Amino acid sequence: DIQMTQSPSSLSASVGDRVIITCRASQGISNYLAWFQQKPGKAPKSLIYGASNLQSGVPSKFSGSGSGTDFTLTISSLQPEDFATYYCQQYHSYPRTFGGGTKVEIK
Amino acid sequence: QVQLVESGGGVVQPGRSLRLSCAASGFTFSSFAMHWVRQAPGKGLEWVAVISYDGSNKYYADSVKGRFTISRDNSKNTLYLQMNSLRPEDTAVYYCEGNPYWGQGTLVTVSS
Repeated sequence: DIQMTQSPSSLSASVGDRVIITCRASQGISNYLAWFQQKPGKAPKSLIYGASNLQSGVPSKFSGSGSGTDFTLTISSLQPEDFATYYCQQYHSYPRTFGGGTKVEIK
Repeated sequence: QVQLVESGGGVVQPGRSLRLSCAASGFTFSSFAMHWVRQAPGKGLEWVAVISYDGSNKYYADSVKGRFTISRDNSKNTLYLQMNSLRPEDTAVYYCEGNPYWGQGTLVTVSS
């Protein structure tokens, strides 16, 4: 199985900060990488697919990059509605696997 | 608008069975591969199973293989998860997902 490792597991940031979350795959997955946002008590929301493609309706402050084993999710200017937990997921092969999550909290 | 509505969750004793349903509307359900993803209380997301758009291919996480069965009825726009031999570690919110759509989840609690 492909292991997905996210870092950091949590971070504190202020409104307006630029935030970068990283995700590393245990083997190459090309660009078969998705990012999800989850707020407490809510279902996950799809943000990015194909490592860098924004889902419809997702604001451009979110961006993704990477290929192979190393990926990043960047939030260019953190807003109050962005405080949430973010997950990466590989869909290169089954079983699909998620990273452990990154909780973005208010500083 | 797009809706995925899960049902069938509840409290069940270890070793018993439960069947979850996910009713889809607002998109062409029969064209989408569909997944079940679960989240134990306070934990991260765990992928459970997938079924192809026509039901011909299915894959499972090792943790549920041989106990859970995913199926679909495209005439009813509904996805199912038959869960047998339930264990306390199966306790979680179960989400159905058809990229990029997610349901709101249904809670399954396995406890004596």
